[in-house]
Amino acid sequence: EVQLVQSGAEVKRPGESLKISCEASGYNFRNYFIGWVRQMPGKGLEWVGVIYAGDSDTTYSPSFEGQVTISVDWSSTSLHWNSLKPSDSGIYYCARQGRTNWHFDLWGPGTLVTVSS
Amino acid sequence: EIVLTQSPGTLSLSPGDRATLSCRASQRISGVYLAWYQQRPGQGPRLLLYSTSSRATGIPARFRGSGSGTDFTLTIDRLEPEDFAVYFCQQYEDSPRTFGQGTRVEIK
Repeated sequence: EVQLVQSGAEVKRPGESLKISCEASGYNFRNYFIGWVRQMPGKGLEWVGVIYAGDSDTTYSPSFEGQVTISVDWSSTSLHWNSLKPSDSGIYYCARQGRTNWHFDLWGPGTLVTVSS
Repeated sequence: EIVLTQSPGTLSLSPGDRATLSCRASQRISGVYLAWYQQRPGQGPRLLLYSTSSRATGIPARFRGSGSGTDFTLTIDRLEPEDFAVYFCQQYEDSPRTFGQGTRVEIK
């Protein structure tokens, strides 16, 4: 089955680090991009950035550049924070993007991140 | 950054009605780079349409997309109970990719 499986919900304190993951299965992982999208409680979708699994080439939204790091390994991608802020709270979705069709055609179920003192 | 503005914010309709959702871009977009997503309560988004009017795998024909330039429309013919959800448009012509703020289609 073609799917993206995301790591579980996290509750963290401000200033802590965090890495959440997105594992792909059922397709040739290296031939696609994986993007990350944030949804704050009750709000819309925000594009965080995207990484090409074939060569780790990464593009970030200016709103998130320097705040998070996207990485890739054998069959998964990760989103990493060095120092969390309460404003980082939200649901983070990973989603697959093709090399020629740049929409997100497959989405993960999301990871809820809560940052609170 | 291309800003997408969706209207209306909320659409109150009955099953069997037609829904017409608008997405307006702050600058011209090639229709090749406009998608629509559906998000049901408690779920992640799923792709409905890409390249303005191409339906994703498994999406029924009652979902239709149209438009060009700066004005795009998602039409849902004969609303089914499972269609009551939030709909987002997205442009992927320019970086950063951006989404509209969403239109909620609720049961009247």
